[in-house]
Amino acid sequence: KAGVTQTPRYLIKTRGQQVTLSCSPISGHRSVSWYQQTPGQGLQFLFEYFSETQRNKGNFPGRFSGRQFSNSRSEMNVSTLELGDSALYLCASRLTGTANTEAFFGQGTRLTVV
Amino acid sequence: GENVEQHPSTLSVQEGDSAVIKCTYSDSASNYFPWYKQELGKRPQLIIDIRSNVGEKKDQRIAVTLNKTAKHFSLHITETQPEDSAVYFCAASINNQGGKLIFGQGTELSVKP
Repeated sequence: KAGVTQTPRYLIKTRGQQVTLSCSPISGHRSVSWYQQTPGQGLQFLFEYFSETQRNKGNFPGRFSGRQFSNSRSEMNVSTLELGDSALYLCASRLTGTANTEAFFGQGTRLTVV
Repeated sequence: GENVEQHPSTLSVQEGDSAVIKCTYSDSASNYFPWYKQELGKRPQLIIDIRSNVGEKKDQRIAVTLNKTAKHFSLHITETQPEDSAVYFCAASINNQGGKLIFGQGTELSVKP
């Protein structure tokens, strides 16, 4: 069965622009979480969606937002991009909404802000 | 807030030796502790996990131990091979916080042939 798919794989944006990233979870998975990965900060939790509802949010500014559709696909949006937003953005899907089950990661979207 | 500390940040071993990576978590409500391996340019992949009602778990050359009192958990890799070279991340989560994982900073393991 297909894994977690993230599109696009690479993006280059200019400061001040906005960007939308997409994540398609494994078929049947209802939970999608997003993480930002940078060399300095490691993997940091952005937010999690389950059944189209945001259940948890990390310590990121309001410029970072997301949503989940009825088919469990999720998007995250970053507005007014800053140089510091350059990172690998990973999403992970789970079959259920419980935390103690395996999270399957996508390959990520590499965002570069210039 | 919740925090996971991971040590060491880099680890170099000879092929065949053992490697140990240690993590400490801050929130005593944490009850699930996965370990992920991330090879260069690839996605993180779960290699082993442990729940708070278990003290140790093994899977072939990999084992994880959990000390709830001390809030420590460790990854042990025996008979290391060059293909074990990667960055390893520990994480912790709390069941009533949905899918939120708090990750350690990662350990870059290098296994020299």
